Amino acid sequence: GENVEQHPSTLSVQEGDSAVIKCTYSDSASNYFPWYKQELGKGPQLIIDIRSNVGEKKDQRIAVTLNKTAKHFSLHITETQPEDSAVYFCAAKTPENRLAFGKGNQVVVIP
Amino acid sequence: DGGITQSPKYLFRKEGQNVTLSCEQNLNHDAMYWYRQDPGQGLRLIYYSQIVNDFQKGDIAEGYSVSREKKESFPLTVTSAQKNPTAFYLCASSHNVGVGETQYFGPGTRLLVL
Repeated sequence: GENVEQHPSTLSVQEGDSAVIKCTYSDSASNYFPWYKQELGKGPQLIIDIRSNVGEKKDQRIAVTLNKTAKHFSLHITETQPEDSAVYFCAAKTPENRLAFGKGNQVVVIP
Repeated sequence: DGGITQSPKYLFRKEGQNVTLSCEQNLNHDAMYWYRQDPGQGLRLIYYSQIVNDFQKGDIAEGYSVSREKKESFPLTVTSAQKNPTAFYLCASSHNVGVGETQYFGPGTRLLVL
């Protein structure tokens, strides 16, 4: 089945700097890649997603890039703010239409 | 207000007891899901349902049961057969189970064993 890995597991950045989280996936047939943000004690919230026919997508300070050849996709957060501190999960949708999640990445924005 | 609600926020289970977690959505979504989250782990799929009166096992269904009698509701029962039930349980829904269908999550229920 699909295996999704996230790196690094923890990332600390100074407020105003950029943060990049990378995910790799194993099944080349996966075709939909969402990113979720989870704050402590809450459910994950979708922040951006990308489909396999697109290489990049932006939404204000957040962007996602997809490299299908290398089977990886990355989340980019620019001009980080303290409220960006959270756990971020990537996922890949398999041909069986199920989401396989990475283990999460703790982002800490230092004021 | 549209969305997914889960109750209770915290639930305590005694040894040998079955407990039921509630999940309700008013988004008119056909598909609903239950995930389990353990510290430092990703989300693991327990059960999912594509339509009323139909559901399928996910990756870790043992010790759990579900029902889907109404489109809006997808309750999860953690049975006494689940030997390690302490976890954060998340319910999600999507318009359907098609490719690219976004899943939206509820606020979660934290289950603790007494």
